[in-house]
Amino acid sequence: DIVMTQSPDSLAVSLGERATINCKSSQSVLYNSNNKNYLAWYRQKPGQPPKLLIYWASTRESGVPDRFSGSGSGTDFTLTISSLQAEDVAVYYCQQYFSPRYTFGQGTKLEIK
Amino acid sequence: EVQLVESGGGLVQPGESLRLSCTASGFPFSAYSMSWVRLAPGKGLEWVSFIGTSDTTLYYADSVKGRFTISRDNAKNSLYLQMNSLRAEDTAVYYCASCSVWPGAFDIWGQGTMVTVSS
Repeated sequence: DIVMTQSPDSLAVSLGERATINCKSSQSVLYNSNNKNYLAWYRQKPGQPPKLLIYWASTRESGVPDRFSGSGSGTDFTLTISSLQAEDVAVYYCQQYFSPRYTFGQGTKLEIK
Repeated sequence: EVQLVESGGGLVQPGESLRLSCTASGFPFSAYSMSWVRLAPGKGLEWVSFIGTSDTTLYYADSVKGRFTISRDNAKNSLYLQMNSLRAEDTAVYYCASCSVWPGAFDIWGQGTMVTVSS
């Protein structure tokens, strides 16, 4: 199975500041035939199901604010929140869907400093 | 409205069985692959099992292989997870999830059903 490793495990950022979460896969999730990275980012708040934020590593899901952006390719990826808002407090997960044996990162807990 | 609704969770003792259901509406269920994902207390998301549009393509996480069985009934727009030989570490909220475009990320999620395994 593809192992997904996120860093850091937790992060405290001031309101209005930038938050950056990293994700590394144990093997490339770039599919050469279509040049797409099979990598997604989710946000989960307590008592709620996960919400898809980013897919194909950098495409924002409809309705997701443009302060959220994804980047990276191959095995190294980043989720950036350009200006942290109070409602962004949550746990964030990366996930690969290169294989239908989907795997998630361990999660990054984002808090307000 | 696209919707997934899980049911069947509850409190069981170690070694017992439980069957979860997930009922879909608002989209052509038979054309969508489906998965179960769980969130254990204090832990992160864990993918549990996948079933293709027919029931011939099945995958399981190593942690549940041999104990859990995923299935679907397209006529009833329903997904199932038969969980046998339950362990304390299976305690979690179980979500059904799908992607509206294959292959793709999970953009459709249920609200989850809680399974507690405890004596």
